[in-house]
Formats: sequence, structure tokens, C-alpha cells
Amino acid sequence: DAGVIQSPRHEVTEMGQEVTLRCKPISGHDYLFWYRQTMMRGLELLIYFNNNVPIDDSGMPEDRFSAKMPNASFSTLKIQPSEPRDSAVYFCASSSQANTEAFFGQGTRLTVV
Amino acid sequence: KNEVEQSPQNLTAQEGEFITINCSYSVGISALHWLQQHPGGGIVSLFMLSSGKKKHGRLIATINIQEKHSSLHITASHPRDSAVYICAVPQYGNKLVFGAGTILRVKS
Repeated sequence: DAGVIQSPRHEVTEMGQEVTLRCKPISGHDYLFWYRQTMMRGLELLIYFNNNVPIDDSGMPEDRFSAKMPNASFSTLKIQPSEPRDSAVYFCASSSQANTEAFFGQGTRLTVV
Repeated sequence: KNEVEQSPQNLTAQEGEFITINCSYSVGISALHWLQQHPGGGIVSLFMLSSGKKKHGRLIATINIQEKHSSLHITASHPRDSAVYICAVPQYGNKLVFGAGTILRVKS
């Protein structure tokens, strides 16, 4: 397996634009996590899914953020409208079971200008 | 809420030195994770442990559940070990809380 695949690797967008980040988890993994990493706050969990169902979205900062997992092999994190403070690296990770090792994607570095 | 404290924040070592990074947490847990983030940004899971000790190559992780403390050791350190090392513990369910990370630089 190629591991967790995220796209794009880098995204630069203007304030107010919609941004969509994509993730393909490892095949057979039932859990998918979206994390955000900033200098100020470090790594934070935004939302996670189990069997394509959102379980905990308490880390989603506000209504501008939304995440979907239409099937077991694909998830999106959308920001609409984007703001400069959303600039961060967004990681997707997947794991096979609860409380087991998570495998991370390479991340998407988002810059909102 | 589980608070996670790592020390030191920054660590510079000479190649070959033995390195220790510490992690303390405030609430009882089922397991603790150690992650490594390289300068390129990718994150790799090093260990997940709930008791005792685990070893992988030159890396050793220990945990003391009673004292709510874990250590990550690197033996015979090498410049390629230079990275950020992050400790993480579950707050509840699958929600991990992360330490701020320890920036390690190993000089040749």
C-alpha cells in the first residue's frame, strides 16, 4: 500500500476562496483523522471518522470548516470561506482499529493570503 | 482534559550521544504515542505503548503508568535522528492530545 495519500501538497489561496483538501486512507483502515498543525497550537485533532461516519468533530474550529467521507477510500476537508488564520499544515491519518498506531499522510501546507 | 508536557523543548547533541526526551501527562491513559516529524514535515508513528518498555533499533520508549510519565531514548545518536519528537495521549476515545514537541538536532 502507498500509505495515506493527501492532495494537494501545497495550496496557496486568497482570503474568501473555498479550499478543499483531499485524503485517501490506507485500504482496510476503518478510522480516518484530520489534524491541523500550527506554530502556535501544535497538532490538533479536527475530526475523525469510523467506518465513514463522523464520530467526533469537536475540534472543528467553526462552521467554515466541514469534512466528509463519502466512501472508505476518500475524505475531504473543506474550508469556505478561507481566512489567513487558517494557514497551517493539515494532516490526514488512518488506523485499522481504535487506539492503535496511526499512519499519517505527508500533509497539505495551506497558505491563505 | 489531559495535559501533556514535554521536555526539553530543544535539544542539541553530538553524534553518538545518548538522548532522553521526557513526556508527562495529567490523566490516566490506556496508551501513549511517540511520533517523529522530520524537517520535510512528514509524521511517523514510532511507538504506541501502555506499559513497560518497547525497543525499535536504537530507539527505546518506556512508560510508568503510576507516575504518568514516559521517556524516549535514542542510543548512539546520529544526525539523521534530527527531527521533532512528539508525545501524544488520548483525551477520550480516539481523540489524541499532543505535546508541543521536542526539537532535536544531532551534530556530526
